[in-house]
Amino acid sequence: GQQVMQIPQYQHVQEGEDFTTYCNSSTTLSNIQWYKQRPGGHPVFLIQLVKSGEVKKQKRLTFQFGEAKKNSSLHITATQTTDVGTYFCAGRRSSASKIIFGSGTRLSIRP
Amino acid sequence: DTEVTQTPKHLVMGMTNKKSLKCEQHMGHRAMYWYKQKAKKPPELMFVYSYEKLSINESVPSRFSPECPNSSLLNLHLHALQPEDSALYLCASSQDHWQTSTDTQYFGPGTRLTVL
Repeated sequence: GQQVMQIPQYQHVQEGEDFTTYCNSSTTLSNIQWYKQRPGGHPVFLIQLVKSGEVKKQKRLTFQFGEAKKNSSLHITATQTTDVGTYFCAGRRSSASKIIFGSGTRLSIRP
Repeated sequence: DTEVTQTPKHLVMGMTNKKSLKCEQHMGHRAMYWYKQKAKKPPELMFVYSYEKLSINESVPSRFSPECPNSSLLNLHLHALQPEDSALYLCASSQDHWQTSTDTQYFGPGTRLTVL
């Protein structure tokens, strides 16, 4: 069945350093979404990518969808303590299939 | 209003109890979801309701029984649960499940369930 893996599982960075999480699917995706879950909180939608090779930016966050639509990345420039949390990607093969969440990357930050 | 509400926030129940989790949204979304999330794991899809009809059941045990009384409400009835069912139960909604352009999910705060 469809699997969505994320690496790394954990990342501990110094405040101000950059952070990247990678999402890889075993099958081609029709879209990919990114969610952030703060400790003790619930997933909050960040962005959706649909087109092959698409790149979107939100302030310090840059999201990318691979050319083959099988992988995606989230890059945070100059991390801040407010970036702490777990970042999940989520994708689906087609409109007829269910959304699959990636395994998540947990980001912690040294102030 | 982009809020999904869930009640109760916390629930402790015995294995012989019957309880219900409730979820509500007023965004006019026609798809609603139940997820189960264990600590340090991603949300795991349980059920999808689309236009008030059950569209997806991810082989969930019958001790979990979903109900969608109307387009704004989603319930999850619990009966004879096991301790391993203890988890955070998240409700989500999206505009439409069957179009990838409108399947962005808005999650509620969750119900933290403990089964003794």
